[in-house]
Amino acid sequence: NAGVMQNPRHLVRRRGQEARLRCSPMKGHSHVYWYRQLPEEGLKFMVYLQKENIIDESGMPKERFSAEFPKEGPSILRIQQVVRGDSAAYFCASSPISDSRPRAGNTIYFGEGSWLTVV
Amino acid sequence: TQLLEQSPQFLSIQEGENLTVYCNSSSVFSSLQWYRQEPGEGPVLLVTVVTGGEVKKLKRLTFQFGDARKDSSLHITAAQPGDTGLYLCAGPQGGKLIFGQGTELSVKP
Repeated sequence: NAGVMQNPRHLVRRRGQEARLRCSPMKGHSHVYWYRQLPEEGLKFMVYLQKENIIDESGMPKERFSAEFPKEGPSILRIQQVVRGDSAAYFCASSPISDSRPRAGNTIYFGEGSWLTVV
Repeated sequence: TQLLEQSPQFLSIQEGENLTVYCNSSSVFSSLQWYRQEPGEGPVLLVTVVTGGEVKKLKRLTFQFGDARKDSSLHITAAQPGDTGLYLCAGPQGGKLIFGQGTELSVKP
C-alpha cells in the first residue's frame, strides 16, 4: 500500500494525557501537512513540514501542540495535556515536490485520518 | 488572508435530481481543487482547475473555474445515493492548501 498511512485511526485520551499521532507519507514524498477537522467543518491547516524542518506552523496552537518530521521515521503530531476541545479528526497529507501549489501534476494526497476523542 | 466560502452548507435531494455547489472568494486563486470526503475517511481529490473559464467533466460531475479565478462551481447531473458525502473546495495560499467549510450532500433513494 503506497498511500499516506496514519495511526492510530482512533485514539481515546483522558483530559490531561498526551496524544501522539503518526503519519507516514507516500513513498518518495518529503513534504507533510497536518490538518484538523471538527464535526461538520472543513479542514483547517495546522502545520507544513519537510524532513527535519518546520516550514509553516501558522495554524498550530501556540501551546500544547508540536509537530516533527525526523530524517528517519514518520511525522508525529503531539498534543500535550489534551482537553475536550482537542477532540477532532486529524488528517495528514503528503506531496512530492517543493512547490505545494496545486496544479496539474502536483497533487497532495491525504491519509484516512486519526480520530481523537478526549473524555 | 484568502478565504473560500462554500454554499450551500447542507443539501438534501432525491435521487435523479441535479444540483450545483458553489465555492467563492474575494481573492484570486492560481488554481482550485475539489475534494470529496466520505464519513470516516480522508478527502479524495476529484479535480484541479487552473485556467480561468476552464470546464472539466468527470462522468456526471462538471467543474467550472470562474473567468476571474475567484470562484468555482460543481454541478452534478442525475445525482445518485453514491454521491452522498462532503464536498470541499481548496486553493493554495502561501505554500499550503486552504479549504472551504464544505457542502454536506445527501442523496436519498
